[in-house]
Amino acid sequence: KNQVEQSPQSLIILEGKNCTLQCNYTVSPFSNLRWYKQDTGRGPVSLTIMTFSENTKSNGRYTATLDADTKQSSLHITASQLSDSASYICVARGNYGGSQGNLIFGKGTKLSVKP
Amino acid sequence: DGGITQSPKYLFRKEGQNVTLSCEQNLNHDAMYWYRQDPGQGLRLIYYSQIVNDFQKGDIAEGYSVSREKKESFPLTVTSAQKNPTAFYLCASSIRGAYNEQFFGPGTRLTVL
Repeated sequence: KNQVEQSPQSLIILEGKNCTLQCNYTVSPFSNLRWYKQDTGRGPVSLTIMTFSENTKSNGRYTATLDADTKQSSLHITASQLSDSASYICVARGNYGGSQGNLIFGKGTKLSVKP
Repeated sequence: DGGITQSPKYLFRKEGQNVTLSCEQNLNHDAMYWYRQDPGQGLRLIYYSQIVNDFQKGDIAEGYSVSREKKESFPLTVTSAQKNPTAFYLCASSIRGAYNEQFFGPGTRLTVL
């Protein structure tokens, strides 16, 4: 069964600290993996996208990694800010046909950054 | 100012009533999507449309209906047949093709009273 599992479910950190969010996927065949940031009551916004051949990709203070062999991805946030408080959603895309793109969404990690 | 808009932001409905959620985009995207988001769950696909006058059921289409009469618009109707309609509804659009990024609207929170 195609699945995306994220951990932890929630996380509280102090402003200025770093953190790492985890994503394990069992989507096969695999096409790409995207991390979204979703502020409370808003739509998700894409942070990074990686294909199976990419190991790491950065977007400012956000760095995503991908290990296609172990089917694991992580999102590292450096020097956290209060505005980083949000849910972070991992989305894997399968490559098994279908015009809607076969997106499998994780349940998200809710990050709270405290002053 | 390009983007995807949803209205209203909050919507209240009595049991047994149909209600229509609006989704408009001016990104010139061919494909549009509707998702449902519940607490502690991942987004689930309700309906999607790749071109005007064509749409397909997603994973949880029962109790919902859509239309795609214009490229810019993809309204979602939540019918009285939907047993548990209280949720956060997200509309998205993308360039046509299965592997392009989906851009999301701000969402509509529907509450059934």
